[in-house]
Amino acid sequence: GIQVEQSPPDLILQEGANSTLRCNFSDSVNNLQWFHQNPWGQLINLFYIPSGTKQNGRLSATTVATERYSLLYISSSQTTDSGVYFCAVDIQGAQKLVFGQGTRLTINP
Amino acid sequence: DAMVIQNPRYQVTQFGKPVTLSCSQTLNHNVMYWYQQKSSQAPKLLFHYYDKDFNNEADTPDNFQSRRPNTSFCFLDIRSPGLGDAAMYLCATNRGAGGLFFGEGSRLTVL
Repeated sequence: GIQVEQSPPDLILQEGANSTLRCNFSDSVNNLQWFHQNPWGQLINLFYIPSGTKQNGRLSATTVATERYSLLYISSSQTTDSGVYFCAVDIQGAQKLVFGQGTRLTINP
Repeated sequence: DAMVIQNPRYQVTQFGKPVTLSCSQTLNHNVMYWYQQKSSQAPKLLFHYYDKDFNNEADTPDNFQSRRPNTSFCFLDIRSPGLGDAAMYLCATNRGAGGLFFGEGSRLTVL
């Protein structure tokens, strides 16, 4: 099956810093999503980004489908950005998301 | 406004005592999913419905069943919960071009 690898597994930063999270996947995908899991466990949909670049406030994402990777950028980090960030891809267009293992981001005040 | 609603948010049960978790959606999406997420792990798909068509993942234990009586509701039944079934259970619907949209989750504790 498709493999989804995220890096780094853990990232600790000071408030105000910028960060880049990476997602590599092993096969062609139809869709890719980035999620933030908040402390209560809910998965918040950040981006639906099978290709190209999108921006939403301090967050932006880029997917290069031909090279099988996606990047999530967080600028001017805030403590509320802490949590686990998941990349997930669908296989064979079935919208059955396969998740990476996540990046745990900790933003210290 | 919440569009995917899961109940209960927290469920405590005893070993072997059946549990039902519910999920409702106001989006009228035809695809609904149940994921299981154990502590410090990624969510893992248990099964999904495309309309009434049920699709079970090959490694989903028989202890887990699901029902979808109509478009809006989907239930997860755990017939005989074991300690290893303690997890967060996440329901999602398919937004099409917007991808999957998740509810807040139901956290199950097994004593």
